[in-house]
Amino acid sequence: QSALTQPASVSGSPGQSITISCTGTSSDVGGYKYVSWYQQHPGKAPKLMICDVTERPSGVSNRFSGSKSGNTASLTISGLQAEDEADYYCSSFTSSSTYVFGTGTKVTVL
Amino acid sequence: QLQLQESGSGLLKPSQTLSLICAVSGGSISSDGYSWSWIRQPPGKGLEWIGYFYHSGNTYYNPSLKTRVTISVDRSNNQFSLKLNSVTAADTAVYYCVRAISGWFDPWGQGSLVSVSS
Repeated sequence: QSALTQPASVSGSPGQSITISCTGTSSDVGGYKYVSWYQQHPGKAPKLMICDVTERPSGVSNRFSGSKSGNTASLTISGLQAEDEADYYCSSFTSSSTYVFGTGTKVTVL
Repeated sequence: QLQLQESGSGLLKPSQTLSLICAVSGGSISSDGYSWSWIRQPPGKGLEWIGYFYHSGNTYYNPSLKTRVTISVDRSNNQFSLKLNSVTAADTAVYYCVRAISGWFDPWGQGSLVSVSS
């Protein structure tokens, strides 16, 4: 199974909005609602930010939102803050009952 | 609050078997609806899903690792394990144990670094 495709890096100024894409196929992203997003700061374990494409777990800022169109899922961070600088990964369930992660995106706050 | 903690071999030589245990506290590993997964991250690289053990007893593995991986559960001790045989330098990574719920992973263990070097 191939990794989902994400841009290597995305940057924005404080207060701006950025969007990270996650492109797969109809056998993973396009076929299921089971797309999730994770934030990872250096040296730390990943943290769940979005589940089921659009759902935000308790405690996650409402500045984070998810969406999906066809085989591409997206994570939007609005009102960008310095603490949002981190690596972000998407994940999807697949038609083989396995999981696949995205290639990862480094978010830089300018 | 559910917590997961990895433990096991930290330094291996090529061709040896990687063995890690994930101790689960604050909840039962036998709870319906959950699966128990291993995910790894080579230094400076992205996340790679290894496999999971579903509460019903089924196991699923990453096709690229399937021939070398075994995930098993020890219900009496509320823990599950990972074995990866014939390791090479490419298996050097931080290994995370994680609970999976309906398509997402949460919570994560703190991670255990496994290095493979001759």
